[in-house]
Amino acid sequence: DSGVTQTPKHLITATGQRVTLRCSPRSGDLSVYWYQQSLDQGLQFLIQYYNGEERAKGNILERFSAQQFPDLHSELNLSSLELGDSALYFCASSDPDLGYTFGSGTRLTVV
Amino acid sequence: AQKITQTQPGMFVQEKEAVTLDCTYDTSDPSYGLFWYKQPSSGEMIFLIYQGSYDQQNATEGRYSLNFQKARKSANLVISASQLGDSAMYFCAMRDPYGNNRLAFGKGNQVVVIP
Repeated sequence: DSGVTQTPKHLITATGQRVTLRCSPRSGDLSVYWYQQSLDQGLQFLIQYYNGEERAKGNILERFSAQQFPDLHSELNLSSLELGDSALYFCASSDPDLGYTFGSGTRLTVV
Repeated sequence: AQKITQTQPGMFVQEKEAVTLDCTYDTSDPSYGLFWYKQPSSGEMIFLIYQGSYDQQNATEGRYSLNFQKARKSANLVISASQLGDSAMYFCAMRDPYGNNRLAFGKGNQVVVIP
């Protein structure tokens, strides 16, 4: 167990639907990063939150949004899903001394 | 923008032999951090080793060592005494200090260890 918890592990949904991916960071970590891993794009940074505030945005589509709650868990919302959104979505948290820790990922399949 | 390049094709390695995975990077920042992660077929991202740009010595962690050549902007991972469990994708990544410390990843190297 890395200390970063992602749920669900697998998700299968239809095009046009909306899903929410959840991430609980390692205890004490204030930063949460979301990454998307697809076969054609590799690992892409989506968005970062720090202590509840958005800090950086990467290649995140407008159909995607995220937030970090007061208890520091984060949710990534994906809407109007397309086949191309099928990917492995990772959450990572970071500590200045301990570095980055990744969750086990959520594998999203859009059919 | 920071860029990580991993261009080796998939590699087959004999068990107990060493393997070197190439990684070159491009950055104008004097302070940066380089990471290697392992991703087995199960999908999780496992941290292997870290090298800071100001570190005087090459990083080592057990069977993993990093051949850091700052002037050439390369950070190659060396896995010694390969084991069957080393079969995985390996990713080189760089911390972007001006991007709120997010990680930029290379495309990865596939390694298959054969008995």
